[in-house]
Amino acid sequence: GAGVSQSPSNKVTEKGKDVELRCDPISGHTALYWYRQSLGQGLEFLIYFQGNSAPDKSGLPSDRFSAERTGGSVSTLTIQRTQQEDSAVYLCASSPGPTETQYFGPGTRLLVL
Amino acid sequence: GQNIDQPTEMTATEGAIVQINCTYQTSGFNGLFWYQQHAGEAPTFLSYNVLDGLEEKGRFSSFLSRSKGYSYLLLKELQMKDSASYLCAVVYAGNNRKLIWGLGTSLAVNP
Repeated sequence: GAGVSQSPSNKVTEKGKDVELRCDPISGHTALYWYRQSLGQGLEFLIYFQGNSAPDKSGLPSDRFSAERTGGSVSTLTIQRTQQEDSAVYLCASSPGPTETQYFGPGTRLLVL
Repeated sequence: GQNIDQPTEMTATEGAIVQINCTYQTSGFNGLFWYQQHAGEAPTFLSYNVLDGLEEKGRFSSFLSRSKGYSYLLLKELQMKDSASYLCAVVYAGNNRKLIWGLGTSLAVNP
């Protein structure tokens, strides 16, 4: 079946612009995660959605970052007023439930000039 | 804290065996994952351990000791394509049940 998909695959933007990154999880997966990974670095947790519960936003680095998940399926990560340090690969993962195996999308490579 | 410790880099020879260790805080432990990540790609699931012992899957095996807060990933008959980063991740109860990720071990397999 279809895996996790993300769009766009690459995004180049100018400093100060807003960007939206999209994630389509595997159908039926209740848990959805956003991570950020800079070149050669580990995964940095950003935000976690589980079913209809309030999202865990504890990893968002600043109030310029926000995410929503509509209808328990598609999620959008929004970065406002982008900065050069926001340049990274943004990975989305979904799992059938909390603590279960996470399946990752291919990521969105964001470059802020 | 809930630090996950792994070696940063390892080097091994094609055809050999390599063991990648991971240590973690035991309090609240609720399961451990290993993922493989090739350069420029997303992580992919390798194994999950929640009970003590060795889980074998072909050339890859994963071991867990809950009392020691220790796991290892064993790769046998190494191939060049095994060159990748190997990520250890732990589930802690009460942490909103999200994974805590190690920084990964970059493995280089040489001919």
